[in-house]
Amino acid sequence: GENVEQHPSTLSVQEGDSAVIKCTYSDSASNYFPWYKQELGKRPQLIIDIRSNVGEKKDQRIAVTLNKTAKHFSLHITETQPEDSAVYFCAASRGSYIPTFGRGTSLIVHP
Amino acid sequence: GAVVSQHPSRVICKSGTSVKIECRSLDFQATTMFWYRQFPKQSLMLMATSNEGSKATYEQGVEKDKFLINHASLTLSTLTVTSAHPEDSSFYICSAYAVQGLGAQETQYFGPGTRLLVL
Repeated sequence: GENVEQHPSTLSVQEGDSAVIKCTYSDSASNYFPWYKQELGKRPQLIIDIRSNVGEKKDQRIAVTLNKTAKHFSLHITETQPEDSAVYFCAASRGSYIPTFGRGTSLIVHP
Repeated sequence: GAVVSQHPSRVICKSGTSVKIECRSLDFQATTMFWYRQFPKQSLMLMATSNEGSKATYEQGVEKDKFLINHASLTLSTLTVTSAHPEDSSFYICSAYAVQGLGAQETQYFGPGTRLLVL
């Protein structure tokens, strides 16, 4: 089955800095890679996703890059703000197949 | 985006009692829903896939007699934790796939979660 590794487990940055979270996957057939943000005690919220037919996608301060050859994808957050503090999960799946989640990255943005 | 609701949001019960959690898709039909369990500071662990009109598919290590799943309609799946014990205390989250917009592809949407505390 699919195996998703996520790093780092904790990331601490100063407000205004950039944050990068990286994930690798094992199943070359995976073609859908969503990123979720989960605040304490709340549901995971989809913040951005990318499909295997593109290499990069951007939405304001958030971007995701995908390297299919190396089987890794990354989340980039620029100009971080304290409200970006949360746990971020990456996931990989084949279309609508059940996604496999990474272990999560706790992002702390210090004012 | 699509809306998935859960009820209750929080429940405290005594050891040995059963607890039922409801998951509803509010503005779309979901033939398949998923139940996850999340311990503090850990990732989402898939427990089972709930299929409308048929038996749920459980992940390895999840006791089907302990966690009863019923998906009786296209908008409702229920998870019943039977004879709950303190080790069952956790955050339970359901999800469903929905297609939003013309030409869009399926996206997974999560419910708000149910925090279960078994005393």
